[in-house]
Amino acid sequence: AQTVTQSQPEMSVQEAETVTLSCTYDTSESDYYLFWYKQPPSRQMILVIRQEAYKQQNATENRFSVNFQKAAKSFSLKISDSQLGDAAMYFCAYRTSPYYGGATNKLIFGTGTLLAVQP
Amino acid sequence: GAGVSQSPSNKVTEKGKDVELRCDPISGHTALYWYRQSLGQGLEFLIYFQGNSAPDKSGLPSDRFSAERTGGSVSTLTIQRTQQEDSAVYLCASSVTGGGFDEQYFGPGTRLTVT
Repeated sequence: AQTVTQSQPEMSVQEAETVTLSCTYDTSESDYYLFWYKQPPSRQMILVIRQEAYKQQNATENRFSVNFQKAAKSFSLKISDSQLGDAAMYFCAYRTSPYYGGATNKLIFGTGTLLAVQP
Repeated sequence: GAGVSQSPSNKVTEKGKDVELRCDPISGHTALYWYRQSLGQGLEFLIYFQGNSAPDKSGLPSDRFSAERTGGSVSTLTIQRTQQEDSAVYLCASSVTGGGFDEQYFGPGTRLTVT
């Protein structure tokens, strides 16, 4: 079974600085998808960025980028120029590729990292 | 357009009562998911619908939990004879087709408290 580990329960960053959130995962599959979701106090999960495992190029969305190291099974999130609105819980998630068949399209989540942004 | 909506926002119930939680997905989304978020277990998958059928029910924790989806749209998660360990936030998500790279759009959740 696949597992996702986020080893940093809490992180803090100064406004305008850069912070990196860690995520590692365990899988025997070679094709899969990885996601970072943000959950603010409103509870609504919002997709931040996603990566397909067979693509070597790291995904980037504005101030958010990932460092995807497939061999190391690592998928870290870098937030540049941190803003007060970035304060939230961040979840890393894994999803199996349909290539492997089966019926599931579920997301497997890590335990989350609570990010505080200091003014 | 409208996002995923869930009702009620909060629900307090007594142990042993049945509860129904509702999810209205984004119009046109064929895939619908239920997840549970609790302090002890984190975020865990419950069930996945494709249209009105549920090809993956593997996350339902016991036979007290059931879910249905009608008309390829609204879904209801029912918990019978609620227990205190059922207290959690229940999140619903929908996606266009359910494909691997599909973005799942989440609702705001229902916070269930069992007293």
